[in-house]
Amino acid sequence: TQLLEQSPQFLSIQEGENLTVYCNSSSVFSSLQWYRQEPGEGPVLLVTVVTGGEVKKLKRLTFQFGDARKDSSLHITAAQPGDTGLYLCAGVPNSSASKIIFGSGTRLSIRP
Amino acid sequence: ETGVTQSPTHLIKTRGQQVTLRCSSQSGHNTVSWYQQALGQGPQFIFQYYREEENGRGNFPPRFSGLQFPNYSSELNVNALELDDSALYLCASSPGGQGAGEKLFFGSGTQLSVL
Repeated sequence: TQLLEQSPQFLSIQEGENLTVYCNSSSVFSSLQWYRQEPGEGPVLLVTVVTGGEVKKLKRLTFQFGDARKDSSLHITAAQPGDTGLYLCAGVPNSSASKIIFGSGTRLSIRP
Repeated sequence: ETGVTQSPTHLIKTRGQQVTLRCSSQSGHNTVSWYQQALGQGPQFIFQYYREEENGRGNFPPRFSGLQFPNYSSELNVNALELDDSALYLCASSPGGQGAGEKLFFGSGTQLSVL
């Protein structure tokens, strides 16, 4: 069974600070996605990374896919209260592209 | 463009009952995936439907079943409800087919409580 482990599970920081969230697996994925979920809503896709070593930027968010396509990180610069939410990584397995596997999430809280 | 809609938004059932959850996919999308999200957890893949046929299934028992209709809307049926079935059930549609692993567009979910 392919698993995605996210760390930390919870993170509470002050506005303006930087943070990094990690997503790790022992399995190789064909691509990896990051979603953000707010209470009472479904997850919303932020980015998809496909190539090992790929780096994508979305304003203050930087996403990186590991060289071996087993792990990923999300770095937020100068966090804002609007960044608060549940961040989920999701991997597309090589063996079954229909079965996207989600990590357990990182709950981020940004204090004003 | 209409997004993914799910109904009902909330539902309370008792153990042993059966439930049907509904999902209308985003316009132009022919693939629907269902996920179960327990409190404090990430979504767990239940199954996916592509052009009315099941196209992948997660580790859920047969009492979890589904349908996809010609208009690509979908239903999730759960028989013999158990307390552990209490969760947020999410439907996601995607534009491609054959489990391309492309963008998933999620609805807001149905919160099911089993008492």
